[in-house]
Amino acid sequence: EPEVTQTPSHQVTQMGQEVILRCVPISNHLYFYWYRQILGQKVEFLVSFYNNEISEKSEIFDDQFSVERPDGSNFTLKIRSTKLEDSAMYFCASSELDTSNQPQHFGDGTRLSIL
Amino acid sequence: GNSVTQMEGPVTLSEEAFLTINCTYTATGYPSLFWYVQYPGEGLQLLLKATKADDKGSNKGFEATYRKETTSFHLEKGSVQVSDSAVYFCALKSGGYQKVTFGTGTKLQVIP
Repeated sequence: EPEVTQTPSHQVTQMGQEVILRCVPISNHLYFYWYRQILGQKVEFLVSFYNNEISEKSEIFDDQFSVERPDGSNFTLKIRSTKLEDSAMYFCASSELDTSNQPQHFGDGTRLSIL
Repeated sequence: GNSVTQMEGPVTLSEEAFLTINCTYTATGYPSLFWYVQYPGEGLQLLLKATKADDKGSNKGFEATYRKETTSFHLEKGSVQVSDSAVYFCALKSGGYQKVTFGTGTKLQVIP
């Protein structure tokens, strides 16, 4: 079964540094998402992306965050200047359509640790 | 806005016991409802879904019925196994909003 893949599985970064998290969505999917889960808390929506544009974002997704689809397969999340509170598990997801009955398929996540 | 409330964990059961994890929701419009499972060290996997009232989603012995009158989507399994130990997330997606709204997750531990 096709999978969403994320790299790296664990990223350790110094506070203030830039970090890029990478995702390869399922190949025929058109909608892409990022979520995060701070340890012991809910999975929270960050951003959705379709047709090379952000289609929805949460209040968490401020100017420090950006997303990009640099080629036909990768989808990236960049944090420009990381803060301690950015430490979390970041999940990428994709879906074929964006109707309410279409589930989103998630990757295994990247654990981001900010020192 | 949309929200999902699920029972606090952890839930500890003996193998072959009956499992219920409660989930209730508030949503605009007519949401689709999902249960995701996160096994230790892994990502979120879709376990089952239901897209309209009275639908029953089922997979791997787990079931959940979309109850519009009680705004609930409780997860059940008749006989749990040690391999079912994981965190279970109730979630919804409502038309017009692309994001999935998750509950806080319920950790299930099944002991032999």
